[in-house]
Amino acid sequence: NAGVTQTPKFRVLKTGQSMTLLCAQDMNHEYMYWYRQDPGMGLRLIHYSVGEGTTAKGEVPDGYNVSRLKKQNFLLGLESAAPSQTSVYFCASSYLWDETQYFGPGTRLLVL
Amino acid sequence: QQQVKQSPQSLIVQKGGISIINCAYENTAFDYFPWYQQFPGKGPALLIAIRPDVSEKKEGRFTISFNKSAKQFSLHIMDSQPGDSATYFCAASAKYGGSQGNLIFGKGTKLSVKP
Repeated sequence: NAGVTQTPKFRVLKTGQSMTLLCAQDMNHEYMYWYRQDPGMGLRLIHYSVGEGTTAKGEVPDGYNVSRLKKQNFLLGLESAAPSQTSVYFCASSYLWDETQYFGPGTRLLVL
Repeated sequence: QQQVKQSPQSLIVQKGGISIINCAYENTAFDYFPWYQQFPGKGPALLIAIRPDVSEKKEGRFTISFNKSAKQFSLHIMDSQPGDSATYFCAASAKYGGSQGNLIFGKGTKLSVKP
């Protein structure tokens, strides 16, 4: 039981490049989330999903897109990376909205 | 309205002492209040959570105190240990009333427990 896994662990991008972050969970959770964590800012929700095939915007969705084609996977895409997207990205999942959110280990992204 | 204000930003406590972290909110629709603990290089993990039908919840050395009328809640760590050194985040969510069930996090408190 791996819980929540994220790929890759670390990535360096040049401004304008694109990439996809992959999140996978093996707990059969309905809800999945993408957060970004910046120093002194806490965790801010980018996008979330309440089930396979559904996605919704969070607090800071601009510049990101997501897809949830399979229940266990939640992908976060950056179409044209900007230095402001330099951050640590965390994926999380939960069974219900008010149940424990289980977080992955994070992806550190540096945009030059 | 959706913010959760957390204080202090950082906290230094001696081993064996009590660590206290406070959070305040405005949205009266919030009805779930978890605390997450994060060690460097790791993802956050749920520590303890409370709902507004109780004023206090204790799990081992960790206690949440909840004051509904003041719209405040706090985390108390008794007999603090060096292994408790981490960043702590309070959060809140409401199924109805704006946040759509999503967690709103405070900005975090970095706790250092000195031996």
